[in-house]
Amino acid sequence: GAGVSQSPRYKVAKRGQDVALRCDPISGHVSLFWYQQALGQGPEFLTYFQNEAQLDKSGLPSDRFFAERPEGSVSTLKIQRTQQEDSAVYLCASSPSALSSTDTQYFGPGTRLTVL
Amino acid sequence: QKEVEQNSGPLSVPEGAIASLNCTYSDRGSQSFFWYRQYSGKSPELIMFIYSNGDKEDGRFTAQLNKASQYVSLLIRDSQPSDSATYLCAVRNAGGTSYGKLTFGQGTILTVHP
Repeated sequence: GAGVSQSPRYKVAKRGQDVALRCDPISGHVSLFWYQQALGQGPEFLTYFQNEAQLDKSGLPSDRFFAERPEGSVSTLKIQRTQQEDSAVYLCASSPSALSSTDTQYFGPGTRLTVL
Repeated sequence: QKEVEQNSGPLSVPEGAIASLNCTYSDRGSQSFFWYRQYSGKSPELIMFIYSNGDKEDGRFTAQLNKASQYVSLLIRDSQPSDSATYLCAVRNAGGTSYGKLTFGQGTILTVHP
């Protein structure tokens, strides 16, 4: 497929479990963003990768959140010791180039995480 | 004050009417502005973007930007029931350490009733 894909689409975790969310960006896209969208709210920025470099992680809510993109393509967002407040939809977006104000960000379908 | 604010809605308009969606932002360094549509349970999809003051039209959609007033709007003409969705305003500042991340408003729910 030509779009951004994410897996799993739905994840239910017990409080305290670790989870890993995967994002496959559009092939060749340099920039990759992770956003968190709580119910009834707009997406909120978590972290940004330019190729394999994580240039901005200012939006990560706590040190339980960790993201990587080791080869500059697929990215994984890991949440350790999940808490109920982590329940949200996690959206991945990619764009063709870096540091461009004109690039469109293309969003994946998201992963809906529910922490019980 | 939130960085990006949208009128709370929900907004309900009859089919065929003009829907007007508004957004204000606080960062004067913002350079580009986006309107996304999000159907329930789906990911945001881009409708329009605008960078310069004034109007930009694309089919039934018109985006309006006024940087002096820090205001951006989206007009939907001849609204259709299929336009019923949440509309997200997003702002980007690509300078410095912003790296082009989008800052979203909370979204306005639009309902177009037949």
